[in-house]
Amino acid sequence: QSALTQPASVFGSLGQSVTISCTGTSSDIRGYDYVSWYQQHPGKAPKVIIYDVSKRPSGVSNRFSGSKSGYTASLTISGLQAEDEADYYCSSYTGSSTLVFGGGTKLTVL
Amino acid sequence: EVQLVESGGGLVQPGGSLRVSCAASGFTFSNFWMSWVRQAPGKGLEWVANINQDGSEKYFLDSVKDRFTISRDNAKNSLFLQMSHLRADDTAVYFCAAGPHGDYLEFWGQGSLVTVSS
Repeated sequence: QSALTQPASVFGSLGQSVTISCTGTSSDIRGYDYVSWYQQHPGKAPKVIIYDVSKRPSGVSNRFSGSKSGYTASLTISGLQAEDEADYYCSSYTGSSTLVFGGGTKLTVL
Repeated sequence: EVQLVESGGGLVQPGGSLRVSCAASGFTFSNFWMSWVRQAPGKGLEWVANINQDGSEKYFLDSVKDRFTISRDNAKNSLFLQMSHLRADDTAVYFCAAGPHGDYLEFWGQGSLVTVSS
């Protein structure tokens, strides 16, 4: 049950795009198309923004997109807005019917 | 409106026990997997446990497996986490979360702070 690996921080300018990576193992990301991404603002509960690798829940902006290749999943945020500044966590289903999260990435919008 | 409201958090001494609860409304509780996720102060999210729709399947983080129990009462739309032999590193905000399957968490509560300290 080792955490997935994310960069601690990423930076992007208003209007630009950023990509956050999430690396796992054959027991989680590589083995299943069940990667999800969560956005968390300070003092708030997490909110799902991507599930099943690339699906967006109703109401989530299409500026958020997800993908996966091999052991690595990615979240791309296009047209960065000030409100996108938050912590982002990836998560994957595992072969043990459990979930595992990444360590989180702090996005700063310049 | 979907709501998940946690309660029962507080200060407990090392080695002590505590039960946190989660009251659900606004969705068909009995159709959802339920999970507990915790977040230590200033740290990231950590999945703790989950339970399937009828309570017949339960899974735990290795570090809590012999100390925590998860249960649900579908008649009362409630989820529980019974924690025993608590340690300082269990100190965290405990979030209740729901997902239609076991693979992602669609709805989240606001969390309940559990502090383990003497």
